[in-house]
Amino acid sequence: AQSVSQHNHHVILSEAASLELGCNYSYGGTVNLFWYVQYPGQHLQLLLKYFSGDPLVKGIKGFEAEFIKSKFSFNLRKPSVQWSDTAEYFCAVGSGGYNKLIFGAGTRLAVHP
Amino acid sequence: KAGVTQTPRYLIKTRGQQVTLSCSPISGHRSVSWYQQTPGQGLQFLFEYFSETQRNKGNFPGRFSGRQFSNSRSEMNVSTLELGDSALYLCASSHTEARSNEQFFGPGTRLTVL
Repeated sequence: AQSVSQHNHHVILSEAASLELGCNYSYGGTVNLFWYVQYPGQHLQLLLKYFSGDPLVKGIKGFEAEFIKSKFSFNLRKPSVQWSDTAEYFCAVGSGGYNKLIFGAGTRLAVHP
Repeated sequence: KAGVTQTPRYLIKTRGQQVTLSCSPISGHRSVSWYQQTPGQGLQFLFEYFSETQRNKGNFPGRFSGRQFSNSRSEMNVSTLELGDSALYLCASSHTEARSNEQFFGPGTRLTVL
């Protein structure tokens, strides 16, 4: 069965620090990869996605992620975080034509001014 | 374009009751998926409907069911509610033709079972 592992459950950073959130998945076939963000009191929003092509994908708000097929990883990065990035971040994997996403447990990010 | 809408936003029920949640997808999206979000289990896939047919189902008991109407709106039903069913229930819609799994989420219905 597919699974998604997010390495950090809670991350605390100061503004301007760099961010990297780890995500590994277990599935041998073709996958589509996503990072979603859930700001306090808001619904899940898509940060970025990878379907094929360039393994370095850029998303909204300065986020980017790199797909490393050999490591089954899709880590999220941001060079300089802001207080407004405080949120919960979810990595998700989808495969095939059915719209079923497998989510990681999520990482709560707190950014202090 | 309007986003995914879910009604009601909040619901309080007691054990043993049943509940129906509603989801209206983004216009033109024919696939609707449902997820349960809890602090302990995270986000878990319930089921997906496309063209009024259930295409995929997660690992939930038969008390959880759903349906989709010809206008793509979807409902999910939970019968004989248990305390553990307290959760945020999320609906997501997808553009039919893409096999990209990209889904757009609604705000959710927060169900509290007392």
